[in-house]
Amino acid sequence: GAVVSQHPSRVICKSGTSVKIECRSLDFQATTMFWYRQFPKQSLMLMATSNEGSKATYEQGVEKDKFLINHASLTLSTLTVTSAHPEDSSFYICSARDMVRGYESQYFGPGTRLLVL
Amino acid sequence: DAKTTQPPSMDCAEGRAANLPCNHSTISGNEYVYWYRQIHSQGPQYIIHGLKNNETNEMASLIITEDRKSSTLILPHATLRDTAVYYCIVRDNQGGKLIFGQGTELSVKP
Repeated sequence: GAVVSQHPSRVICKSGTSVKIECRSLDFQATTMFWYRQFPKQSLMLMATSNEGSKATYEQGVEKDKFLINHASLTLSTLTVTSAHPEDSSFYICSARDMVRGYESQYFGPGTRLLVL
Repeated sequence: DAKTTQPPSMDCAEGRAANLPCNHSTISGNEYVYWYRQIHSQGPQYIIHGLKNNETNEMASLIITEDRKSSTLILPHATLRDTAVYYCIVRDNQGGKLIFGQGTELSVKP
């Protein structure tokens, strides 16, 4: 089946630093990728939708200047958490939609666990 | 907001069928029912989806009521590895986003 990877799988950083998370579709092209955040014991919350070559669309309440999303190619989207603080500690999961197979085919990455000290 | 309602938790004996219900009373005509599951500390995994007919694949069966207001995911022979949170999501297939509700935490017990 289709594979989506994320890097790094886990990261620990100091408060005030920026962290970049990569999401790659390994065996398909994705014009649309999605970023989710999940706090312990909670469900996934959609943060933003990223389309290749254009600006991301953020969900209500998500700060676009804090969570920078770049979707520069059909196989790579990045999420940068700028000036991270302890409350940004969470499990970040990306998802990619296969442009050939269409809207039905959306695959998730394994997630990145961020801990901000 | 999620458009589905699921029980927060269920138990199932290993080897027995697990039947997970989902209510989606406000589903519209162009919306599909999707099921994903999330094993602890992993990304969600696609299971199955359907519009109005029952569907079956190698993982599960999806039974959708005739009025489409509810559905049931069936894992025919649950194993310990099926322990996960199961999410029922309704979405239109014209670019709709996958919005997750709280899901059902299924515990398969030996």
